[in-house]
Amino acid sequence: QQQVKQSPQSLIVQKGGISIINCAYENTAFDYFPWYQQFPGKGPALLIAIRPDVSEKKEGRFTISFNKSAKQFSLHIMDSQPGDSATYFCAARNQAGTALIFGKGTTLSVSS
Amino acid sequence: ETGVTQSPTHLIKTRGQQVTLRCSSQSGHNTVSWYQQALGQGPQFIFQYYREEENGRGNFPPRFSGLQFPNYSSELNVNALELDDSALYLCASSLARASGANVLTFGAGSRLTVL
Repeated sequence: QQQVKQSPQSLIVQKGGISIINCAYENTAFDYFPWYQQFPGKGPALLIAIRPDVSEKKEGRFTISFNKSAKQFSLHIMDSQPGDSATYFCAARNQAGTALIFGKGTTLSVSS
Repeated sequence: ETGVTQSPTHLIKTRGQQVTLRCSSQSGHNTVSWYQQALGQGPQFIFQYYREEENGRGNFPPRFSGLQFPNYSSELNVNALELDDSALYLCASSLARASGANVLTFGAGSRLTVL
């Protein structure tokens, strides 16, 4: 019940295209769902986050879609750029609010 | 405002040894969490410290221990190192709020190799 499953493992998108990364969870007690971006040699950095009472959140080119009944959420990157090439992690916060449970990550490569 | 800083950035130890990793929180943050990131995997929660006490723990054995100091900096100690402890250790700080909202700010990590 503590798992967050993320797909695909890797993704290649052309410049200007849409990148879509999907995540699914089991524990309905999770109450906060962030996405983190990690570049090589750096720590993860918060990209965008959503709470389960909202179905969509958009910040610039990044959008989270959240389906509470299906226990799924996804990250959409519009107009993907080479600078977006990084590893993306979805996560869910535990009920106690003390920990994030991360997916295994998606390595995105945007070709120019 | 300064971010989260960790030291050392890289270190090599042999099996059975002990290691201490250090973390300085972002200014204004009062909570520190530690995560282990194995190669090609997502970060895994080790524990969190708030008000100098352990405030939550993941599925890690007791040989993983920590401290938080009055200035909110923190240490992660790992005893009796095993080969599987080789990983990137990430420190994250946050500001605990009554609402529970606590955005994590991660450091760049300490890369531990156990031979």
